[in-house]
Amino acid sequence: EPEVTQTPSHQVTQMGQEVILRCVPISNHLYFYWYRQILGQKVEFLVSFYNNEISEKSEIFDDQFSVERPDGSNFTLKIRSTKLEDSAMYFCASSAYRGDTDTQYFGPGTRLTVL
Amino acid sequence: DAKTTQPNSMESNEEEPVHLPCNHSTISGTDYIHWYRQLPSQGPEYVIHGLTSNVNNRMASLAIAEDRKSSTLILHRATLRDAAVYYCILGTGNQFYFGTGTSLTVIP
Repeated sequence: EPEVTQTPSHQVTQMGQEVILRCVPISNHLYFYWYRQILGQKVEFLVSFYNNEISEKSEIFDDQFSVERPDGSNFTLKIRSTKLEDSAMYFCASSAYRGDTDTQYFGPGTRLTVL
Repeated sequence: DAKTTQPNSMESNEEEPVHLPCNHSTISGTDYIHWYRQLPSQGPEYVIHGLTSNVNNRMASLAIAEDRKSSTLILHRATLRDAAVYYCILGTGNQFYFGTGTSLTVIP
């Protein structure tokens, strides 16, 4: 069964450093998403991406964040200058159709620890 | 933001049916109702979704009230592997709003 994969599984970085989290969505999917979950808290939407552009973003997704689909398979989330409060699990998801009507398939997540 | 209300926790005995309720009184006519679950240290996993009619799949059943202001996820025979946090989500726009969900404990 196709699945969303994410790398790395755990990323440790120093405050102020840039990090790139990588995701490989399911191959025939057209919509891509990033969510995050701070330890012990709920899953929060960050951004959705379709047709090579951001379609929606939350208040969390400020200028420090960016997303890119650099080739036909990868979908990345970049945090330019990490803060302590960016420590969280980051989940990538993809869907074949619009996310509100279709199933979003989530990856296993990347645990980001900012020291 | 979540727009759904669920009990914080529920318990079920193994191999018995479980009914997980969700209230979504502000649902609009085009909002789909999605259910996901999250096992410890894993990403959310799709369970089922529907719009107006009741839905069945290999994992569960979804019963949607006639006025669509509430729904119930039904696990027909709970197993220990069903212990997870279950989220009821309204599909709004191109994103999901996760609430705090219902933490299901399955008692052997």
